[in-house]
Amino acid sequence: TAGITQAPTSQILAAGRSMTLRCTQDMRHNAMYWYRQDLGLGLRLIHYSNTAGTTGKGEVPDGYSVSRANTDDFPLTLASAVPSQTSVYFCASTAEAFQKEAFFGQGTRLTVV
Amino acid sequence: GQNIDQPTEMTATEGAIVQINCTYQTSGFNGLFWYQQHAGEAPTFLSYNVLDGLEEKGRFSSFLSRSKGYSYLLLKELQMKDSASYLCAVADSNYQLIWGAGTKLIIKP
Repeated sequence: TAGITQAPTSQILAAGRSMTLRCTQDMRHNAMYWYRQDLGLGLRLIHYSNTAGTTGKGEVPDGYSVSRANTDDFPLTLASAVPSQTSVYFCASTAEAFQKEAFFGQGTRLTVV
Repeated sequence: GQNIDQPTEMTATEGAIVQINCTYQTSGFNGLFWYQQHAGEAPTFLSYNVLDGLEEKGRFSSFLSRSKGYSYLLLKELQMKDSASYLCAVADSNYQLIWGAGTKLIIKP
């Protein structure tokens, strides 16, 4: 079973360039999330979507945007990358908003130089 | 502010028992989670506590005391494959998860 698929798995990006991190799930989960994970810090929520067609801002939304055109896809876009956006990005989903168990993708390691 | 504290690193011996503590201060409480994350991999769900007490699931148990803002994850009969980071997270009043930085558990033979 695929679960959640993220692409790419890693990327080196020049500062000032834009990039979209892709996330697709095949579990028909309503809620999806984007987190970043940095050394020494806990996962931090960037954006979330409780259902298709809606999105919300998390703890660290600046510099990122998301869309949720359908249930399966939840892309994260960096409009103009900066070095502080160097991180590991995880996409996750839950069957419904506020559901207990979250399923995570394998992550995208992004380096902005 | 909201804060989750857990030890940065712990070492234990194969076959032994280890307890990983987590203390929290959050605006509201809607449950506490433990996730396991092997190096370079995605976090995977271990347990969820919303009421005080101990929840047991095989070799893993999780305890919660809401009055003390405290939880622990107990791992018994440690195996080498248990070497991983263990993440504590609390759902706040808005049901958003606040995550600790994780405890890296090293298992020695």
